[in-house]
Amino acid sequence: GENVEQHPSTLSVQEGDSAVIKCTYSDSASNYFPWYKQELGKGPQLIIDIRSNVGEKKDQRIAVTLNKTAKHFSLHITETQPEDSAVYFCAALDGGTYKYIFGTGTRLKVLA
Amino acid sequence: EAGVAQSPRYKIIEKRQSVAFWCNPISGHATLYWYQQILGQGPKLLIQFQNNGVVDDSQLPKDRFSAERLKGVDSTLKIQPAKLEDSAVYLCASSPRSPGEQYFGPGTRLTVT
Repeated sequence: GENVEQHPSTLSVQEGDSAVIKCTYSDSASNYFPWYKQELGKGPQLIIDIRSNVGEKKDQRIAVTLNKTAKHFSLHITETQPEDSAVYFCAALDGGTYKYIFGTGTRLKVLA
Repeated sequence: EAGVAQSPRYKIIEKRQSVAFWCNPISGHATLYWYQQILGQGPKLLIQFQNNGVVDDSQLPKDRFSAERLKGVDSTLKIQPAKLEDSAVYLCASSPRSPGEQYFGPGTRLTVT
């Protein structure tokens, strides 16, 4: 089955700097990769996603890139703001079981 | 559009007691998921419903956990009897189709003492 690894587990950046979170997956049949932001006491919120037929997707300050050959995808946040501080999870949709497999999360702290 | 609703938000019980969680998905969403999220980890799927039928319950500890989705709308997840290791946040999510984008509720934080 699918396995997703996520790095780093914690990330601190200065306000205005960029943040990059990386994930790798194992199943080449996986074809959908969402990213979630989870704030304290709340459920994960979908912030951006990418499908396997696309290499990059952007939405304002957030972008996701996908390298199918290397089986890794990354979240890029530019011009970080204190409200970006949260735990971010990547996930992969297992192409065989259609189950979402989540990474272990990255705690992002944006220092003002 | 109203989001996924869950209740209660917090629950503290002693081991060997029973507990039930309730989820109301986004209106019209056919697919409903229950996840367990242990502190410091990503969500782990417990069970997936398509309308009122079970699609996947391979990771549900069936000796103590049960779930139902009557009439293909609301769902309940029950634990009986609870163990210390069941302490976690239980998340409900819904999706308009399977597979599709998931929308999560706020979760129920369960503490078993």
